[in-house]
Amino acid sequence: AQSVTQPDIHITVSEGASLELRCNYSYGATPYLFWYVQSPGQGLQLLLKYFSGDTLVQGIKGFEAEFKRSQSSFNLRKPSVHWSDAAEYFCAVGWNYGGSQGNLIFGKGTKLSVKP
Amino acid sequence: NAGVTQTPKFQVLKTGQSMTLQCAQDMNHEYMSWYRQDPGMGLRLIHYSVGAGITDQGEVPNGYNVSRSTTEDFPLRLLSAAPSQTSVYFCATRPHQNYGYTFGSGTRLTVV
Repeated sequence: AQSVTQPDIHITVSEGASLELRCNYSYGATPYLFWYVQSPGQGLQLLLKYFSGDTLVQGIKGFEAEFKRSQSSFNLRKPSVHWSDAAEYFCAVGWNYGGSQGNLIFGKGTKLSVKP
Repeated sequence: NAGVTQTPKFQVLKTGQSMTLQCAQDMNHEYMSWYRQDPGMGLRLIHYSVGAGITDQGEVPNGYNVSRSTTEDFPLRLLSAAPSQTSVYFCATRPHQNYGYTFGSGTRLTVV
């Protein structure tokens, strides 16, 4: 069965420090991949997505993510974190195979706290 | 252009009551889905639709019904509410299969 793992439940970084949030998926077929961000009490906002092509994708708010097929990973990065980045981040993965309709499976989320 | 509109934003139900969570979109998206979000569980798919008149079950469909009579609307019905259905419910839409979702702002449901 397909699954998406975000190994870190909670991460705290200092403002201005770099950030990497991890995401791994299981299943052999080529996936398409997303990162979403959720501020408290809000819906989910799409940060970036990967379907094919260049494995390093740029998103909004200065985020980027790299797809590594050999590691089944799609880690989210930001070179310098701002206090406003404090939120919960969700990795989501979909697969095109018969019957799936490409429905997304979400990881359980990583909560990011930012220290001043 | 409102995007995805969910109503109500908050609701408290008593065990055994029924209700309908509304989801409406004005983007002419074919695909619509309902997810529930619980602490530490991420988002889990309840039901989805790939077009008017077509619905299917997701990962956690028990206790919920859906229908899709129009492209715009995808209501989620709780038949007999249970405390285990206390959650935040999100409606999400996308224009076709290979695309990201646009999410509504959610409905926070408490069943007492």
